Amino acid sequence: QKEVEQNSGPLSVPEGAIASLNCTYSDRVSQSFFWYRQYSGKSPELIMSIYSNGDKEDGRFTAQLNKASQYVSLLIRDSQPSDSATYLCAVNIRKNSGGSNYKLTFGKGTLLTVNP
Amino acid sequence: DAGVIQSPRHEVTEMGQEVTLRCKPISGHNSLFWYRQTMMRGLELLIYFNNNVPIDDSGMPEDRFSAKMPNASFSTLKIQPSEPRDSAVYFCASSFADRIFSPLHFGNGTRLTVT
Repeated sequence: QKEVEQNSGPLSVPEGAIASLNCTYSDRVSQSFFWYRQYSGKSPELIMSIYSNGDKEDGRFTAQLNKASQYVSLLIRDSQPSDSATYLCAVNIRKNSGGSNYKLTFGKGTLLTVNP
Repeated sequence: DAGVIQSPRHEVTEMGQEVTLRCKPISGHNSLFWYRQTMMRGLELLIYFNNNVPIDDSGMPEDRFSAKMPNASFSTLKIQPSEPRDSAVYFCASSFADRIFSPLHFGNGTRLTVT
């Protein structure tokens, strides 16, 4: 199993719809989870972080975390064409089993297109 | 806050030449990361430093790649000799060391083309 996996996409939604982006991870003891947005030709920028089970809302964005299922998702409500980008899930994964050193590991990303 | 600063933004070089990429992390951050991004492989961690010390270089593809961090405000990634398959966007990022909840902040990247 890959350390961080995202739904492969690309994902296309109409303007105003809800976009749902999903991510699973392999390390049960991971504690911090991040969503980055990357526009074409630009660097990744942090849009959400989540550390506890449940939902975390920030404007039109909601991150959802389920540690038991090792699953984290990002919902974008009222999607706008400006949301069109690649979304990267990042998880702090232990470097070695039983160790305390972590490294932030990224999924391959999901390309989202919001159609006007 | 100037953010993470990388130079150059673009580099075009011929196979066999030496390439040096530079990075200045955010002031106060004591972890620095070098990533490479390609369409095929996504974002790959090459190496990271905590307090100027290399911690994990397992992602460095081969001996042609080397990285240094002589002080808290500067790091270099060197490729010698460069090959066409090294063409990619190289990102530098920084954060607080040993804070598991600390996200990474990325620079604008260096787009490297090796012909």
